[in-house]
This record gives sequence, C-alpha cells and structure tokens, in this order.
Amino acid sequence: DIVMTQSPDSLAVSLGERATINCKSSQSVLYSSNNQNYLAWYQQKPGQPPKLLISWASSRESGVPDRFSASGSGTDFTLSISSLQAEDVAVYYCQHYYSTPQTFGQGTKLEIK
Amino acid sequence: QVQLQESGPGLVKPSEALSLTCTVSGGSVTNYYWAWIRQPPGKGLELIGNIYYDGSTTNYNPSLKIRVTISADTSKNQYSLKLSSVTAADTAVYYCARVRTMTTFFDAFDMWGQGTMVTVSS
Repeated sequence: DIVMTQSPDSLAVSLGERATINCKSSQSVLYSSNNQNYLAWYQQKPGQPPKLLISWASSRESGVPDRFSASGSGTDFTLSISSLQAEDVAVYYCQHYYSTPQTFGQGTKLEIK
Repeated sequence: QVQLQESGPGLVKPSEALSLTCTVSGGSVTNYYWAWIRQPPGKGLELIGNIYYDGSTTNYNPSLKIRVTISADTSKNQYSLKLSSVTAADTAVYYCARVRTMTTFFDAFDMWGQGTMVTVSS
C-alpha cells in the first residue's frame, strides 16, 4: 500500500494569513503515460463528510474558492490557503488514487490562531 | 443533484455481521464505481472497497478483504456493504461515496453520503 503522510498534524493560523499543509507519498503517484498525479485533497468540517477540493494534485473543483491552491508532483504535495477565513477551519486530508487500495493521509487539523 | 444515503443498524454485537446499504437518488448508479469508506471516532479515513455499478468488478482493501462483501442492486439504485465478525475496532462512521469519473475507480471521490455511525458493542 502507498502510505500518505501529512505534516503538520495540526496548524493554527491567524485570519487572513497563509496556511500550508504538506503531503508525502511513500511512492510516486505520477502516472507517466499521462503525466498526471493521482492525488486529491479533501476538507472535512465537524459532523460532515469530506468535500473534494482538489484533484489531479492541482485542479480546483468547481465552486472551491480560489484562495485554495495546490501543487506538487511525484511524492511531495502541498495544499495552500492564501488568506485564511473562519469557514476554513476543518481537517484536511490528502488521498492518492494511483493504485489499490487508495489511501488517505492521517489528516491535518487547521485552526484559527 | 445526486445524493447518497447510508442506512442500516447503528449497533452491532461483536462477532456478528455489519450490513449497510447506500441508496443513490437524483441520478443513476450506471457506469460509475461506488465506494465504502469508514472513519473511526476522532481518526482518519479508510477505504473499505468499491464496486462497479453492475457488480462486475469489486476491489477490497487487503486489510479487510477476508471479512468484506460489497454488492450492487441496479434495480434499486443501491449498493451494500457486509462486514463479518466485527469487533470494537470496527466502530466508525461509515460513508458511501462515488468515484467521480465513469468506468474507472482511479479517480477521486466527488459525492459522499452524510455517513452513518455504527457502534460495535454487546
């Protein structure tokens, strides 16, 4: 199985400041035949299911605010929130879908400082 | 707007089987892969497995494979999970979810049910 490791486990950022979450996979999730990274980011608020934010490592889903951005390739990925809003408080998960079983990172809890 | 809804018992005794159903409304199950994902209290997400809409293909997490069966009923727009020989470690919120792109399970989960809490206890 590919192991997804996120850092940090928790993060406190002031409103309006930048938040950055990292995700590292134990092996590359870049599929060479189409040059796509099989990596997604989800946001989970308390009592809710996860919400897909980003797919293919950097492609924002429809309706996701543009303060959310993501980058990376191969084994190292980053999710950034450019100007933290109160509604961004959540746990964020990365997930690969490169092979079976698809696995998730352990989550990063984002709070307001 | 496609909606997913999990249903089933909220309490299961140890050593018994857990059975859940996901009903898809507002759209058809046809041509998609559908998944079960669980989340123990205060912990992260674990894929249990997925199934093609017609049941022709299933993929199970190796860590659960010997205890898991996922089946589909296209006539009811539903798919189901059975997890046998449960223990307290199987206590979790169980989610059903859709794989976004038709005909492949190598994609993200774009639609999720609200989740159902299942507690394993005598």
